[in-house]
Amino acid sequence: EDQVTQSPEALRLQEGESSSLNCSYTVSGLRGLFWYRQDPGKGPEFLFTLYSAGEEKEKERLKATLTKKESFLHITAPKPEDSATYLCAVRSANQAGTALIFGKGTTLSVSS
Amino acid sequence: DTGVSQNPRHKITKRGQNVTFRCDPISEHNRLYWYRQTLGQGPEFLTYFQNEAQLEKSRLLSDRFSAERPKGSFSTLEIQRTEQGDSAMYLCASSRRDRGPQGFFGPGTRLTVL
Repeated sequence: EDQVTQSPEALRLQEGESSSLNCSYTVSGLRGLFWYRQDPGKGPEFLFTLYSAGEEKEKERLKATLTKKESFLHITAPKPEDSATYLCAVRSANQAGTALIFGKGTTLSVSS
Repeated sequence: DTGVSQNPRHKITKRGQNVTFRCDPISEHNRLYWYRQTLGQGPEFLTYFQNEAQLEKSRLLSDRFSAERPKGSFSTLEIQRTEQGDSAMYLCASSRRDRGPQGFFGPGTRLTVL
């Protein structure tokens, strides 16, 4: 069964304290791994798509990487405005169409 | 892009009542998705339209749920005979065919069933 597990569930950082969020996946044929940011009471906001092991994407203080088993979202020198829930999702060959399988997310809190 | 809009933003109903939500996707986006999200969980896929055709339905979508996209533009999601377990955030997303499934999400409709 296709599965996505995110860790930790919650992470508290001081402003400027870099860290990484983990997304482990078990899928039959990865057809894309997606990272989203979700603020309270809002819909997810698309950040990155990764398709193959070794691929990396960057946006401001965020960098996403992908291996055959997991993906990391690295946050460099975070600011309070980076506080949000970060969601990881995969599309697998088991899915007949375009459905994404989401993890439960990591809630990040950055204090000044 | 004006973004994906959803109405209403909040809905409180009594168990057994019917409710209908509307989603207006970004214009020129031919793909539209409905997801459901409960507290502390990631979104769960419900159904997918390409233009007016409903191409995928999740096993989560019981026969009390029905979705339409009559002219390939806006979509409605109706829940009949609501149950307390239906309380959740209902999210709509849209995308262009050449941009893959990641989609732009709307703000969601928060449903509370009393």
